[in-house]
Amino acid sequence: DSGVTQTPKHLITATGQRVTLRCSPRSGDLSVYWYQQSLDQGLQFLIQYYNGEERAKGNILERFSAQQFPDLHSELNLSSLELGDSALYFCASSTTSLNEQFFGPGTRLTVL
Amino acid sequence: AQSVTQLGSHVSVSEGALVLLRCNYSSSVPPYLFWYVQYPNQGLQLLLKYTSAATLVKGINGFEAEFKKSETSFHLTKPSAHMSDAAEYFCAVSATNQGAQKLVFGQGTRLTINP
Repeated sequence: DSGVTQTPKHLITATGQRVTLRCSPRSGDLSVYWYQQSLDQGLQFLIQYYNGEERAKGNILERFSAQQFPDLHSELNLSSLELGDSALYFCASSTTSLNEQFFGPGTRLTVL
Repeated sequence: AQSVTQLGSHVSVSEGALVLLRCNYSSSVPPYLFWYVQYPNQGLQLLLKYTSAATLVKGINGFEAEFKKSETSFHLTKPSAHMSDAAEYFCAVSATNQGAQKLVFGQGTRLTINP
């Protein structure tokens, strides 16, 4: 158990819908990262937040957005969902931006 | 830009045999390198990391990796494979810039252990 929690574990929804994935980092970790894992793209970095502020952006679609709240938990919002958005979404956290990242168990999103 | 190439999407070894998973990196700055393991239906677990200290890095579960700058490699090894080592392994390089960090992952190597 890494100490990073993600909810829900599984999510099944339809095309065009909007979903919110939630992540609670390890106690004391200020940085939160989101990654997408799919069969065709592999593991891709989406976005990083540090103490509430966006720090880095990867290949994140405009339909996707994220935020980190004052209690340091983070949410990833996915809207206008397409079949191709079906993937595993991982959250990771670290103490600072320079330390190793600890990954949560992931949320498996299925878009039908 | 940093990148990672893992040679071999599938590796199969016998129980008790040497495990060698290959990783080559590309980085314009001294890299931080990581190996993660993913067991079925689970998240990624850190095996070991290289952060410019010792070139031979020891990790958990008997794994180790050697950083070779001349070969831009960071191969993962374990002297004797165990059935519980069956999983997918990811090599990653850290791209850090002014406090922003992201991990760039290789495509992964699925390790199968034959009894």
